[in-house]
Amino acid sequence: SQQGEEDPQALSIQEGENATMNCSYKTSINNLQWYRQNSGRGLVHLILIRSNEREKHSGRLRVTLDTSKKSSSLLITASRAADTASYFCATARSNSGYALNFGKGTSLLVTP
Amino acid sequence: DAGITQSPRHKVTETGTPVTLRCHQTENHRYMYWYRQDPGHGLRLIHYSYGVKDTDKGEVSDGYSVSRSKTEDFLLTLESATSSQTSVYFCAISPGGLNNEQFFGPGTRLTVL
Repeated sequence: SQQGEEDPQALSIQEGENATMNCSYKTSINNLQWYRQNSGRGLVHLILIRSNEREKHSGRLRVTLDTSKKSSSLLITASRAADTASYFCATARSNSGYALNFGKGTSLLVTP
Repeated sequence: DAGITQSPRHKVTETGTPVTLRCHQTENHRYMYWYRQDPGHGLRLIHYSYGVKDTDKGEVSDGYSVSRSKTEDFLLTLESATSSQTSVYFCAISPGGLNNEQFFGPGTRLTVL
């Protein structure tokens, strides 16, 4: 079953603006990971946040995790056209060997 | 590059034929995973492995089997391919072990006619 659900499904912004994507999940987790996928390509790992962490940064990316609300957000600051892609959140639990449960993704379009 | 490759990258086959997809890693990572990606579903776990000859089922394992006779190779077999198995298949490894990042291979696009 789908564990994570991203919101919005699609987001269109202009270069230089910030993009925020949200992810909600249903059960307790051990970690949550964000991935980027360009059209027709593979998945690129962006960032992992553990259940005992609240915020992590990586370059222009900022991820938050609120385990009480079972939600996470991914903020991309100063977006570029090259950020155009689909973004997925994935949660890992200790059962099933920490395999990932993915949401359906947010499609981000950044226009020049 | 996480040192993970998949073969073939593209395959077209006919309903009822067996198909084997290969995932190869260049390191001796213990955990390997097979997922499929379909429009509207995101990625879903098919099978995973936690060591040589140690495998377990995932969410969508019906119609699939796996084998891992060597640490570096994780094979996914469609015993009798069906059109519903048309999908993009991704293999993943977890180099840091459990509760760490998973890195994905480039994917195999499979079409079953």
